[in-house]
Amino acid sequence: ETGVTQTPRHLVMGMTNKKSLKCEQHLGHNAMYWYKQSAKKPLELMFVYNFKEQTENNSVPSRFSPECPNSSHLFLHLHTLQPEDSALYLCASSQRQAGNTGDSGANVLTFGAGSRLTVL
Amino acid sequence: GENVEQHPSTLSVQEGDSAVIKCTYSDSASNYFPWYKQELGKRPQLIIDIRSNVGEKKDQRIAVTLNKTAKHFSLHITETQPEDSAVYFCAASDNAGKSTFGDGTTLTVKP
Repeated sequence: ETGVTQTPRHLVMGMTNKKSLKCEQHLGHNAMYWYKQSAKKPLELMFVYNFKEQTENNSVPSRFSPECPNSSHLFLHLHTLQPEDSALYLCASSQRQAGNTGDSGANVLTFGAGSRLTVL
Repeated sequence: GENVEQHPSTLSVQEGDSAVIKCTYSDSASNYFPWYKQELGKRPQLIIDIRSNVGEKKDQRIAVTLNKTAKHFSLHITETQPEDSAVYFCAASDNAGKSTFGDGTTLTVKP
């Protein structure tokens, strides 16, 4: 399979449950991202992993815990979520240039189809 | 941090007319500006992008302009077609790979 694959596509969970979202990219990219898409904020960056290292945590509550075991896989562990966390969670990947040169190059994001999360 | 503002939030045009979506950004360190199209129920996909060392880029019916001094960039779609109907997102990206998105523009092209 090619591109960015996310599972599950739909998830319903109670506020006391623990669940995980999975993302896998087959593009050979070295950076992966979690975005939250909701009516309130259409595309909100949550986490950035460059070369498996977390480089950005956009003030995300600790009930969301990311994990990046290798450059092809990214997880989002969910624990004691709130109903307002219901949203579409999009994973993305890109090929980053090593180092921060003057020109970042084209950080083209390839998105997965998303995991639709409903918190009851 | 970076702040990207996008206008308008909704845009309705007649088929064949042009559509323009505008974005402003705040961080002068941003140097890459992509535009993504998201059709209903589908994932966002890149349609065109521009780097900070370029003022304008065109690809068939779509074009993007960048005014780095004023910190704004725009998407232009000419000869719109019903299949152009979607949500369009602008973004500003820095050297760290952090892409900040605008709130999106819902474009409706009426046949």
